Amino acid sequence: SAVISQKPSRDICQRGTSLTIQCQVDSQVTMMFWYRQQPGQSLTLIATANQGSEATYESGFVIDKFPISRPNLTFSTLTVSNMSPEDSSIYLCSVGVESSYNEQFFGPGTRLTVL
Amino acid sequence: GNSVTQMEGPVTLSEEAFLTINCTYTATGYPSLFWYVQYPGEGLQLLLKATKADDKGSNKGFEATYRKETTSFHLEKGSVQVSDSAVYFCALGSSNTGKLIFGQGTTLQVKP
Repeated sequence: SAVISQKPSRDICQRGTSLTIQCQVDSQVTMMFWYRQQPGQSLTLIATANQGSEATYESGFVIDKFPISRPNLTFSTLTVSNMSPEDSSIYLCSVGVESSYNEQFFGPGTRLTVL
Repeated sequence: GNSVTQMEGPVTLSEEAFLTINCTYTATGYPSLFWYVQYPGEGLQLLLKATKADDKGSNKGFEATYRKETTSFHLEKGSVQVSDSAVYFCALGSSNTGKLIFGQGTTLQVKP
């Protein structure tokens, strides 16, 4: 199994500002994913972070709002840009397990509150 | 498209009661099925998985059987504990994309 850390664990931000969330994995992985979990809701996939190329975004999510970097096989960042209170959520990164039928391991999440 | 439907919660049980959380899915191909658990204030942990029809996943007293004929993957535990109180998510893994599709989650509250 992979050990995943995220920074920050939580933050309170003002509307109109941006926050960058970091995701670090203890081993090299091909597939990394970013999810949003709105209060009391399930997980929604934001994008797949691809190493060496642009992220692949799901319907309803755009690069200008959620830019993602993936500089190497152990690290990724998600930026939440020009925040509004509707962006208040838990943001989770996950990694896919190679040859393991789509199993994913999740980080502890970043709890974001936008005032 | 692929989708997952879970029974609505919250589910409230007394300690040592029997637990069933229903999960059904719609998918093309041969997906993998998962149960994840989210304890209060924490991220998701994989609870169990099944990768093909009739497989039974089990862990920590929980089990679920991949039923292709009924497109179901119901979670069961014979005797719940207060420490099992959490949100449980059923998920489907697409063999084509590597992505997971989650159900809406079911909150379990176990009272002493």
